[in-house]
Amino acid sequence: EAGVAQSPRYKIIEKRQSVAFWCNPISGHATLYWYQQILGQGPKLLIQFQNNGVVDDSQLPKDRFSAERLKGVDSTLKIQPAKLEDSAVYLCASSFGTSGLETQYFGPGTRLLVL
Amino acid sequence: QKEVEQNSGPLSVPEGAIASLNCTYSDRGSQSFFWYRQYSGKSPELIMSIYSNGDKEDGRFTAQLNKASQYVSLLIRDSQPSDSATYLCAVNGDTGRRALTFGSGTRLQVQP
Repeated sequence: EAGVAQSPRYKIIEKRQSVAFWCNPISGHATLYWYQQILGQGPKLLIQFQNNGVVDDSQLPKDRFSAERLKGVDSTLKIQPAKLEDSAVYLCASSFGTSGLETQYFGPGTRLLVL
Repeated sequence: QKEVEQNSGPLSVPEGAIASLNCTYSDRGSQSFFWYRQYSGKSPELIMSIYSNGDKEDGRFTAQLNKASQYVSLLIRDSQPSDSATYLCAVNGDTGRRALTFGSGTRLQVQP
């Protein structure tokens, strides 16, 4: 079974530029998560989708971050404009069910550096 | 106040010893608890999940949960240098929020 796929793996941009990340979850997984992990910290949830609906985006900086999951499969996360403090690893995860008790499987992450 | 707290370490143990990693959480409504291992530059990978009070063993790993004390721990027996990594404790949120809340992780170093 293929794991969670993410691209690109690395991205370097200048502040005020825009960037987009892509995630393809494990086939059949209903729930998709985007996390931000700053160096030395644990992952922090940005947004959670169940199928193509948003369950939780309370920690998403909506003035600059946006995300969508069209057709309930793959997802994109966009930052526009980027700030220096957005430098982090962006992790996508998916789980089969919707109860929150299931295991979340993480993709390899996208490492973003904002200069 | 942090929702999930871990000692950042590093926790250094000799090869073959037992490593004990601890985690406390603030949300009494939490129902599921996970330990993830994260090697440097890699994404988290699940080691153990535990849902009820008591111990759960899987190979060299034992997870312990005490909901009354809001405490979860991970024991690693016969520690190996390959166990050197950051261990993240994760707790599911309250009934309105099912995503995981992670601690900052404990860095474990197993000395050969």
